Amino acid sequence: NAGVMQNPRHLVRRRGQEARLRCSPMKGHSHVYWYRQLPEEGLKFMVYLQKENIIDESGMPKERFSAEFPKEGPSILRIQQVVRGDSAAYFCASSPGQASSYEQYFGPGTRLTVT
Amino acid sequence: QQQVKQSPQSLIVQKGGISIINCAYENTAFDYFPWYQQFPGKGPALLIAIRPDVSEKKEGRFTISFNKSAKQFSLHIMDSQPGDSATYFCAASMLGFNKFYFGSGTKLNVKP
Repeated sequence: NAGVMQNPRHLVRRRGQEARLRCSPMKGHSHVYWYRQLPEEGLKFMVYLQKENIIDESGMPKERFSAEFPKEGPSILRIQQVVRGDSAAYFCASSPGQASSYEQYFGPGTRLTVT
Repeated sequence: QQQVKQSPQSLIVQKGGISIINCAYENTAFDYFPWYQQFPGKGPALLIAIRPDVSEKKEGRFTISFNKSAKQFSLHIMDSQPGDSATYFCAASMLGFNKFYFGSGTKLNVKP
């Protein structure tokens, strides 16, 4: 039973380029969460999605960042015109989505470096 | 505003000793408190979690103690091993809101 998959694992972008991070949830999971982790810090919530819906994007920067979880395919976190401050580890988590389930399972992360 | 405060930032324990990490929260609506373990270059892995209707939960060498009135909870690692050396994060969530609020992490180093 494969866990949460993320790719790429490492991504290097120059300032001004676009970064696309992909997340495939665990089999049977319909809810996806994105978190950002700066060096030596805890994880900060960014966005919560269900298939074709953004449920909570209260942690997303207002500009340059967007997320989607289409009916088919992985969830995508997109960062346009990246800046040095976007350098971080981005983690995706998934959950079954049942009302009684709190558990979130994390992927290995994508480490974005902006040069 | 930091919803969950974690201490200490780092911890050194001898092999066989007890590691204790503490967290405090503000929002009384939180009703789920997990602990995650993270190794360098890896994603966080769920270690153990507790709901506020119990004061303690034990799984193997790992125990969560929960004090609802003080709004505090802690992770105890008994008989700490070098393989436990990792960063530990506490978190809190509430039903219906789904997102986790994470503490800032504790880097544990267990000396052989």
